[in-house]
Amino acid sequence: DIVMTQTPLSLSVTPGQPASISCKSSQSLLHSDGKTYLYWYLQKPGQPPQLLIYEVSNRFSGVPDRFSGSGSGTDFTLKISRVEAEDVGVYYCMQSIQVLTFGGGTKVEIK
Amino acid sequence: QLQLQESGPGLVKPSETLSLTCTVSGGSISSSSYYWGWIRQPPGKGLEWIGSIYYSGSTYYNPSLKSRVTISVDTSKNQFSLKLSSVTAADTAVYYCARMPYAITIFGVVIGGMDVWGQGTTVTVSS
Repeated sequence: DIVMTQTPLSLSVTPGQPASISCKSSQSLLHSDGKTYLYWYLQKPGQPPQLLIYEVSNRFSGVPDRFSGSGSGTDFTLKISRVEAEDVGVYYCMQSIQVLTFGGGTKVEIK
Repeated sequence: QLQLQESGPGLVKPSETLSLTCTVSGGSISSSSYYWGWIRQPPGKGLEWIGSIYYSGSTYYNPSLKSRVTISVDTSKNQFSLKLSSVTAADTAVYYCARMPYAITIFGVVIGGMDVWGQGTTVTVSS
């Protein structure tokens, strides 16, 4: 299986400041069809995960533009340009090029 | 607005079979654009994909669980179901159902990430 490694494990951010989460995969997520199947989710406390970003850099419907995704191959990044209180929770990356696997999660809290 | 709702027993005895159903409302499970999947999350831990099914009955399973998992679909009821056999305490988790877009490529089917999730149901394995 492809192993997804997220860093850092946790992040404490002042509201209005930026935040960045890294996700590295053990194999390239570039499919032969030219797409890269890397996703980002946010799981707020007591809720199911919600899709933020699909295929590396596409914001899902309704996701604020302060969230952005980038990367290629095996290295990916989720950036929040200005963290808000509602952004607290655990962020997960996930790949679907092979057996679907998730990263271990990055917990974001507000200072 | 599409909604998914998990249902089933909250307590299962060790060695027995866990059975859950996901009811889809606000849309058809027979949509040609989606697979439907199960994901679980043990207490305080991360997420694990269990498997996915198309309305025609085509399935994909996580190899780590494949020997114990059966996912089925009932289009007449707009539901799909999960059965996990020979459960142990390690199967205690919140179980989620979700919608999963997919793509057909010349290299085969690629199932994408979950875009709509149910609220989840807690299943505890204990005697």
